[in-house]
Amino acid sequence: DQQVKQNSPSLSVQEGRISILNCDYTNSMFDYFLWYKKYPAEGPTFLISISSIKDKNEDGRFTVFLNKSAKHLSLHIVPSQPGDSAVYFCAAKYSGNTGKLIFGQGTTLQVKP
Amino acid sequence: SQTIHQWPATLVQPVGSPLSLECTVEGTSNPNLYWYRQAAGRGLQLLFYSVGIGQISSEVPQNLSASRPQDRQFILSSKKLLLSDSGFYLCAWTVNADTEAFFGQGTRLTVV
Repeated sequence: DQQVKQNSPSLSVQEGRISILNCDYTNSMFDYFLWYKKYPAEGPTFLISISSIKDKNEDGRFTVFLNKSAKHLSLHIVPSQPGDSAVYFCAAKYSGNTGKLIFGQGTTLQVKP
Repeated sequence: SQTIHQWPATLVQPVGSPLSLECTVEGTSNPNLYWYRQAAGRGLQLLFYSVGIGQISSEVPQNLSASRPQDRQFILSSKKLLLSDSGFYLCAWTVNADTEAFFGQGTRLTVV
């Protein structure tokens, strides 16, 4: 049972435009959501997170939106840069669960110059 | 500052051989530690986690085991590797259950 889903395996965007990566979850107990960026042959790097008590969190070019009623979150990157090209993973966890992260399958973002 | 070290970076092992991957964290004490695996074209799957020395929880039945002999050391092992054990193995740590996890650089394991 895939509790966190990223239904788009890949996304291609022109440099300077907005990149929108989507993530859906099924477990209503999740209360903390994270986005990680991963380059080939490297470990994931933490990007941004959001608590379930919020619906938006912003950090520079990155903004995460959470829609709890729809069990959906998205990562917006504005403006997109070629260096943003990587695999992006959505992850979720819930309180009192030892910090275990449940990951989506990942979305490969390609930003074209 | 805190850092996490994971080695080796790549490993090619024959079927039936043993495995030992090591992970250490510096600059913090009593971290939560995790082993994840990324199979080809898949997301990251949690294999083991530990909230303290000698405390290991397994998430999925498999051919692997984990140990935490010291506070900041986490070891992933196997007595006999299978072809299906191939993948990218990642160690991670958190300060506590409510913070983000930080990952090591990973080990690419190929079982031949």
